[in-house]
Amino acid sequence: QKEVEQNSGPLSVPEGAIASLNCTYSDRVSQSFFWYRQYSGKSPELIMSIYSNGDKEDGRFTAQLNKASQYVSLLIRDSQPSDSATYLCAVKFRSGGSNYKLTFGKGTLLTVNP
Amino acid sequence: GAVVSQHPSRVICKSGTSVKIECRSLDFQATTMFWYRQFPKKSLMLMATSNEGSKATYEQGVEKDKFLINHASLTLSTLTVTSAHPEDSSFYICSARDGTFKETQYFGPGTRLLVL
Repeated sequence: QKEVEQNSGPLSVPEGAIASLNCTYSDRVSQSFFWYRQYSGKSPELIMSIYSNGDKEDGRFTAQLNKASQYVSLLIRDSQPSDSATYLCAVKFRSGGSNYKLTFGKGTLLTVNP
Repeated sequence: GAVVSQHPSRVICKSGTSVKIECRSLDFQATTMFWYRQFPKKSLMLMATSNEGSKATYEQGVEKDKFLINHASLTLSTLTVTSAHPEDSSFYICSARDGTFKETQYFGPGTRLLVL
């Protein structure tokens, strides 16, 4: 059973702080990792993808991947109230033959307080 | 990023009727499309995976005769909820995966179904 684990939160940070979201996954051979943001009542929106060990930065967002530890994280710098949402970690697993599918964690609810 | 549209965004129907939801990839060809449902404050649940021109693969516990999926082209997939009942009320979200090496998956805006 392929699993993706996230702390459900809620994670509460003050405006301007760094929010750190964490995710672990069970399949050592996974190669593709994604972070989605989902506002209440809306569908998920892709914000970051990462495929190699290390850090990947995009604006205020930094994704970090450590395949040896099977760990992926998302840092949000200078957090804004508009960042308040549920953040979903997704890992691409092989589902049979040459087919792949994303497995999602349950999501971490982030609240940024003004 | 790539754009996925879904129609309708919201539908209310009577129990026993069928509802069709369309999912389109607008600016890329989707080799694979996925259908999810999500209950309030719950995580996404994958219902089925469809590849263009072939039968959909359903997840365990999802009734294929109730949730009919057609993936007629590289830009269109449809989900038909047949003989809908109140317990089928949910947020249905499609997702399309592009055919590039990275195979990124993009989500449509979702369809909120209410069965009375």
